[in-house]
Amino acid sequence: QITLKESGPTLVKPTQTLTLTCTFSGFSLSTTGVGVGWIRQPPGKALEWLALIYWDDDKRYRPSLKSRLTITKDTSKNQVVLTMTNMDPVDTATYYCAHRNTGSYAFDIWGQGTMVTVSS
Amino acid sequence: DIVMTQSPDSLAVSLGERATINCKSSQSVLYSSNNKNDLTWYQQKPGQPPKLLIYWASTRESGVPDRFSGSGSGTDFTLTISSLQAEDVAVYYCQQYYSSPLTFGGGTKVEIK
Repeated sequence: QITLKESGPTLVKPTQTLTLTCTFSGFSLSTTGVGVGWIRQPPGKALEWLALIYWDDDKRYRPSLKSRLTITKDTSKNQVVLTMTNMDPVDTATYYCAHRNTGSYAFDIWGQGTMVTVSS
Repeated sequence: DIVMTQSPDSLAVSLGERATINCKSSQSVLYSSNNKNDLTWYQQKPGQPPKLLIYWASTRESGVPDRFSGSGSGTDFTLTISSLQAEDVAVYYCQQYYSSPLTFGGGTKVEIK
């Protein structure tokens, strides 16, 4: 059974760096084809994809945020970490990590999400 | 970027009636090498993460009731709920994974009339 859980601060100040950790179980990020993505959702708004890391350490970023995002993996700890620099109130959102299915390429399992508020 | 446009923004349907949600991509998401459309549908209920319903535009995820169906190809797609149940009240999103950046539609809110 695949599970994912996001963790990190609930409140960050403007200009600070956000670090979120996705801890997962039920799969290995060293298995060919596997990926983990980050998606966020501002309150009352639509989903927005941020980043994706693959088993071979290939990384993809949302172009408009690429300069602020870094995604890394720690296969031994079954974790994926997303950092976002220079946080702004518009970055207030629920941040989700999700498992990318190797067959369908869809995000088939999602974490419960973690709400991050950016405020001074 | 591929822009995903959903319509309508919201709809109210009577219990047992059909609900139809449309999704249009700004360019084709048909992957020619396998003739599959890289298009998914998610359901999101309040306070919950999205749940995968449909992938490859028309393949139902395991465990999803067969009243949910997806259709379409290229740039035009439809999610149909054949007989709306109370538990289907949610926001539905389409998403393309044909190319990066992955993009979602704006969502369609389905309510009971």
